[in-house]
Amino acid sequence: GAGVSQTPSNKVTEKGKYVELRCDPISGHTALYWYRQSLGQGPEFLIYFQGTGAADDSGLPNDRFFAVRPEGSVSTLKIQRTERGDSAVYLCASSLGRGGYEQYFGPGTRLTVT
Amino acid sequence: ELKVEQNPLFLSMQEGKNYTIYCNYSTTSDRLYWYRQDPGKSLESLFVLLSNGAVKQEGRLMASLDTKARLSTLHITAAVHDLSATYFCAVDMGGGADGLTFGKGTHLIIQP
Repeated sequence: GAGVSQTPSNKVTEKGKYVELRCDPISGHTALYWYRQSLGQGPEFLIYFQGTGAADDSGLPNDRFFAVRPEGSVSTLKIQRTERGDSAVYLCASSLGRGGYEQYFGPGTRLTVT
Repeated sequence: ELKVEQNPLFLSMQEGKNYTIYCNYSTTSDRLYWYRQDPGKSLESLFVLLSNGAVKQEGRLMASLDTKARLSTLHITAAVHDLSATYFCAVDMGGGADGLTFGKGTHLIIQP
């Protein structure tokens, strides 16, 4: 079946601009996660959704970052006033539920802020 | 704050050899995950370990979990070139939080 998909695969934006990154999870997966991976590092947790609600947003670095999942399926990660330090690969993952379920990762969106 | 440490961070080995990657974590957790990442690609799930003493094997890879020692190992048997990749361990944050905390990864190169 179809895996987790993310669009766009690459995004180049200028400092100060607004960007939206989209994640389409595996059908039927209620849990959705966003991570950020910098070069040479492991993924860093940003936010977790269970259904439509953000169950844990403790990893969001500041209030420029926001994510939504209005219908409990597709999620959008929104970054305002982008900074060069936001450049990274943004990964989305989904799982059947919380706690001990395997997380399946999408291909990621490579964000470059110039 | 949960910390996950892997070692080694870089490993170059020859085909046919055996080796072990270690993953230590700092707080109590009984859920540990191993992922593989090829250059420019996303993460592929290898193993999910959910209890103390859990051992799982797939081909030339075997993972184990000792929750008392807060240690997981990924053992490679008779390595082949196709296993060259970066391997990450990750620990469930627990306590109501469900995100994963990842180690920095072990960059593995297997030379013919």
